[in-house]
Amino acid sequence: SQQGEEDPQALSIQEGENATMNCSYKTSINNLQWYRQNSGRGLVHLILIRSNEREKHSGRLRVTLDTSKKSSSLLITASRAADTASYFCATDSYNFNKFYFGSGTKLNVKP
Amino acid sequence: SQTIHQWPATLVQPVGSPLSLECTVEGTSNPNLYWYRQAAGRGLQLLFYSVGIGQISSEVPQNLSASRPQDRQFILSSKKLLLSDSGFYLCAGSRRTEQFFGPGTRLTVL
Repeated sequence: SQQGEEDPQALSIQEGENATMNCSYKTSINNLQWYRQNSGRGLVHLILIRSNEREKHSGRLRVTLDTSKKSSSLLITASRAADTASYFCATDSYNFNKFYFGSGTKLNVKP
Repeated sequence: SQTIHQWPATLVQPVGSPLSLECTVEGTSNPNLYWYRQAAGRGLQLLFYSVGIGQISSEVPQNLSASRPQDRQFILSSKKLLLSDSGFYLCAGSRRTEQFFGPGTRLTVL
């Protein structure tokens, strides 16, 4: 299975601190994406990194990808209480745009 | 922008009853469409995906089926619900690499 797995499963930090989440996957990928899910809601796309990229930034988000280790990390800098959510990585297949999601990291940012 | 509509938001059904969840897409044509199930506190399990009208691929053998009668309509069905069908069902679409999700339906089978 290509399924990504996030670690840690849960993370609790104070507002203003940085939050780092990791994702590992099993097979070759085209792209790796990170999504956010607020409790009981649908997922929202955050950022995509292609297999030939090593690092990407978007606002307070920084994503790295190491294809040799089959791993990615998501860094949220200067966290806010509103960042409290679950974060999922997703890898895709080379055909038909199938996506495989990990089990997620539940982030709690305490005000 | 692309939007996925799903309804109902919550549903409570008895064991053995039928199910029909509908998903419609707005703002794009010929998208790939997906049904996922999410158990409480867990990741997403891909159930079905469709690359076009009438084209359905099943990822996991189970008590559910899917149909795509129109380009922007994707339906998840069951003839007889089981307790294990309870969960949070998400419909998603994609045109290129990014997926966009509906708000989800929370199904409780009693």
